[in-house]
Amino acid sequence: GQQLNQSPQSMFIQEGEDVSMNCTSSSIFNTWLWYKQEPGEGPVLLIALYKAGELTSNGRLTAQFGITRKDSFLNISASIPSDVGIYFCAGQDSNYQLIWGAGTKLIIKP
Amino acid sequence: DAGITQSPRHKVTETGTPVTLRCHQTENHRYMYWYRQDPGHGLRLIHYSYGVKDTDKGEVSDGYSVSRSKTEDFLLTLESATSSQTSVYFCAISAGSGNQPQHFGDGTRLSIL
Repeated sequence: GQQLNQSPQSMFIQEGEDVSMNCTSSSIFNTWLWYKQEPGEGPVLLIALYKAGELTSNGRLTAQFGITRKDSFLNISASIPSDVGIYFCAGQDSNYQLIWGAGTKLIIKP
Repeated sequence: DAGITQSPRHKVTETGTPVTLRCHQTENHRYMYWYRQDPGHGLRLIHYSYGVKDTDKGEVSDGYSVSRSKTEDFLLTLESATSSQTSVYFCAISAGSGNQPQHFGDGTRLSIL
């Protein structure tokens, strides 16, 4: 089946640093979504991207839909402690099914 | 939360027993989904529904069945639970299949001994 490669698997960063993570696929997607999950909760939608080349921001978060439609990245600027969690990318295929990355775990060093 | 309630939140049961998980929504959304989440994997789709009594299989549907008799409720049944079905199960809803993102419940942690 289709697979998404999400990297890095985990990140240890200092508060105030910028963060970058990305997802790549061998398949084309029509939509890219970025979610954040905290312990004991379901994923929460951060940003939805619907058009190749689209760049969208949500506060300190910025995400882009790659021009080839096979990749997307998420940047977080000036990280704060509440950014800790697992970030997932998901691509929507032509059957409207979501294919998920394995997640990027963000940890902030004390 | 997007008006989604999953029950129970935690369950421990034995191999071979039937288990039913419930997802209840108050958003009147047409689409509902069941996923499982395991370490090292993203979410994997088990089954989904695109209307009352309309369901279809996802990527990992073997050993699971679903039913949707009302818009607001989507049930997931493990007909004879196995240890490989120990997982966290998430329900999601969306208003449509296209540019309508999915919103998730808080999950059910299921342990099968």
